[in-house]
Amino acid sequence: GEDVEQSLFLSVREGDSSVINCTYTDSSSTYLYWYKQEPGAGLQLLTYIFSNMDMKQDQRLTVLLNKKDKHLSLRIADTQTGDSAIYFCAEIGDSSYKLIFGSGTRLLVRP
Amino acid sequence: DADVTQTPRNRITKTGKRIMLECSQTKGHDRMYWYRQDPGLGLRLIYYSFDVKDINKGEISDGYSVSRQAQAKFSLSLESAIPNQTALYFCATSGLGAGEQFFGPGTRLTVL
Repeated sequence: GEDVEQSLFLSVREGDSSVINCTYTDSSSTYLYWYKQEPGAGLQLLTYIFSNMDMKQDQRLTVLLNKKDKHLSLRIADTQTGDSAIYFCAEIGDSSYKLIFGSGTRLLVRP
Repeated sequence: DADVTQTPRNRITKTGKRIMLECSQTKGHDRMYWYRQDPGLGLRLIYYSFDVKDINKGEISDGYSVSRQAQAKFSLSLESAIPNQTALYFCATSGLGAGEQFFGPGTRLTVL
């Protein structure tokens, strides 16, 4: 079945860039998403990319998609302490209903 | 006001009790979902509904049931709660289009 994998933890210094990586197995993925979860809160959609795109930029966020390698990354420029959270990668395939989530990457931003 | 609300936000119950978690949305979306989150496992889909008359099992539906009372309301029931159902439960909604889902704040359920 479909699978999405992420590393569990990333620690960066405030002001540096963060890069969170994700790999997936579903070759029929149509959209890929990045969600952010702050402590005690639900998931907030940060950004998404359509599978025929290579890159999407939205302010401090840059999403890169390598469809050949089934690799997705989220780059956060000038990382702030408020960016500390768990980041989930997710993909949706041809079925267009079922989001498959990775296990989440916990980002810790050190002052 | 939040677009997707869940009640209760926290619940502690005992093994064998029947529990209902409720979700309401004001986004006007037809599609609604229930997920559970366990540490290190991401989110897993329990049930989903594409409209009031449509209910479908997700990947971990055993021990759960749902009811879609209206377009805006989707409730999740645990008929006889057991300790391994202790988790964070999220409701989500989506419209058509890019498929992005909008999540409620979650319900933390503890089964003793």
